[in-house]
Amino acid sequence: AQKITQTQPGMFVQEKEAVTLDCTYDTSDPSYGLFWYKQPSSGEMIFLIYQGSYDQQNATEGRYSLNFQKARKSANLVISASQLGDSAMYFCAMREGNGGFKTIFGAGTRLFVKA
Amino acid sequence: ETGVTQTPRHLVMGMTNKKSLKCEQHLGHNAMYWYKQSAKKPLELMFVYSLEERVENNSVPSRFSPECPNSSHLFLHLHTLQPEDSALYLCASSPALLSNTIYFGEGSWLTVV
Repeated sequence: AQKITQTQPGMFVQEKEAVTLDCTYDTSDPSYGLFWYKQPSSGEMIFLIYQGSYDQQNATEGRYSLNFQKARKSANLVISASQLGDSAMYFCAMREGNGGFKTIFGAGTRLFVKA
Repeated sequence: ETGVTQTPRHLVMGMTNKKSLKCEQHLGHNAMYWYKQSAKKPLELMFVYSLEERVENNSVPSRFSPECPNSSHLFLHLHTLQPEDSALYLCASSPALLSNTIYFGEGSWLTVV
């Protein structure tokens, strides 16, 4: 069965520093996609970055990069040069590829960026 | 501005009330979803619609009744809810059922008293 684990309920980072949010997953499907979403206090879930299981390179989108370690089944999000506006909940998610359309989410990590 | 709009943003209802949550997407997508986000649980998929047909119902109690009149609109009708149903209800859409990315609305905060 699919499973997403985010072990950090909360994280603090100093403004302008980098931070890594952990995510591990479990699936028996060789084809899957991994996602990170940001949820500010307003409630909206904002898509940040996507990594396919067959992608050879780690995904990057601006200040966000996904550290994909397939053998370890981890998909950590790295945010570089943190900004105060990065304070939010961050969710790791996975969708299985072979006919699966369900996206399952981890419990989330709350990130606090300190000035 | 998000392409997925949810109304109302906040709703307080009694256990005997009937209310509805509305979702509208302006992205031309064919798949729409309802998720429930409780305080201490991961996001839970409730319903999935593809081209106005329901393709998934994740053992959701019948007091939640979805309706998808067209590919741009999705409703969640609420009837005789329980206090434990208080949560953030998120609507989402994707270009197709197997698309890589889901786009979420801002959510409707529901409190059942």
